[in-house]
Amino acid sequence: DGGITQSPKYLFRKEGQNVTLSCEQNLNHDAMYWYRQDPGQGLRLIYYSQIVNDFQKGDIAEGYSVSREKKESFPLTVTSAQKNPTAFYLCASRWTARNTEAFFGQGTRLTVV
Amino acid sequence: GNSVTQMEGPVTLSEEAFLTINCTYTATGYPSLFWYVQYPGEGLQLLLKATKADDKGSNKGFEATYRKETTSFHLEKGSVQVSDSAVYFCALSESTNQAGTALIFGKGTTLSVSS
Repeated sequence: DGGITQSPKYLFRKEGQNVTLSCEQNLNHDAMYWYRQDPGQGLRLIYYSQIVNDFQKGDIAEGYSVSREKKESFPLTVTSAQKNPTAFYLCASRWTARNTEAFFGQGTRLTVV
Repeated sequence: GNSVTQMEGPVTLSEEAFLTINCTYTATGYPSLFWYVQYPGEGLQLLLKATKADDKGSNKGFEATYRKETTSFHLEKGSVQVSDSAVYFCALSESTNQAGTALIFGKGTTLSVSS
């Protein structure tokens, strides 16, 4: 079945560590996105990528980094520079044609311990 | 810039009650509009969509009509069930095909249905 897979579902990070969240899609979508979700704040865009080897900062990119070496994969690294990383992270993908909806993964809950 | 405004929750209803969740938007051109649903601990699932004015999206008893004159896309259901308890997000997709466009989401409305 086609879809988006995020892993792991739960992740714990010690302060000062970098951690990487995985996102893989087999929908042949061009564009991929990372959102952060906090209670009462909806979804905020971290990074997005329209094509391989290219990506753009979203609204809250500070403390995060991404790569897009393959069309299917868009991993997100939460660096030690991110001061408040505890959140629910959602990956999404879509075709870049107009009017298309985004498909979401199941999310990764990151907790700083 | 483009934006989406949803009514704040939580919305608490009894089973079989009528549901309305208001959504209004600000956008240039002719965006597409979406409603997503999120169950606890999960990602977002597309509930319904509409791509042009006066279109009605519908799915699982939920409906929403794209009203350009009032820039609205209110979600309705005639008789809610306990299983409808979730967070509902209104979203828009900008009408241009410029590189870098992403879906813009409202803050979400929590619905709680009791039996």
